[in-house]
Amino acid sequence: AQSVTQLGSHVSVSEGALVLLRCNYSSSVPPYLFWYVQYPNQGLQLLLKYTTGATLVKGINGFEAEFKKSETSFHLTKPSAHMSDAAEYFCAVSDRRGFQKLVFGTGTRLLVSP
Amino acid sequence: GAVVSQHPSWVICKSGTSVKIECRSLDFQATTMFWYRQFPKQSLMLMATSNEGSKATYEQGVEKDKFLINHASLTLSTLTVTSAHPEDSSFYICSATTTGEGGYTFGSGTRLTVV
Repeated sequence: AQSVTQLGSHVSVSEGALVLLRCNYSSSVPPYLFWYVQYPNQGLQLLLKYTTGATLVKGINGFEAEFKKSETSFHLTKPSAHMSDAAEYFCAVSDRRGFQKLVFGTGTRLLVSP
Repeated sequence: GAVVSQHPSWVICKSGTSVKIECRSLDFQATTMFWYRQFPKQSLMLMATSNEGSKATYEQGVEKDKFLINHASLTLSTLTVTSAHPEDSSFYICSATTTGEGGYTFGSGTRLTVV
């Protein structure tokens, strides 16, 4: 069965600092990989996804993630944090046999201080 | 882009009553709809998967008689929480997908409070 591990339930950065949110997956076959952001009492917004092709994926709002098969990782980064980036971030995977159910990590709350 | 409209955004109901949550795909056909539940400060837990015209497939531990899911058309899926109790209070989110590489589109969620 697939699983996702997000290291760190909370990550704190200063405005302008590098953002690094970690995600590792467990799957016998490399799955589709996703990063979502959630603001309070709202649904999920897709930041980026990896399905095939280039392993460095660029998403919205300056975020990017790199799929590393050897490390079974899909860490999310942003060079310079903004106050508006403060939110909950979820890494998720789905089976490559079509877009089946998503399995979510436990989430990481990003805190951005002035 | 693809949009899933979820209503209501929030609802308060009395214990013992039923509540219906709707998710509509506005500009695409949602062949599959996923229903998630999210407790405060926790991740999303899949409750059930429904395909248009078929019975929903429930995850282990989810009471299918309590959480009724209907996916009668390619643009509408509903979740009815029957005989709601305070422990059913949660944030419910739907997610739709379609055939091909379209991925997933999430609704904006419904905050259910049972008093």
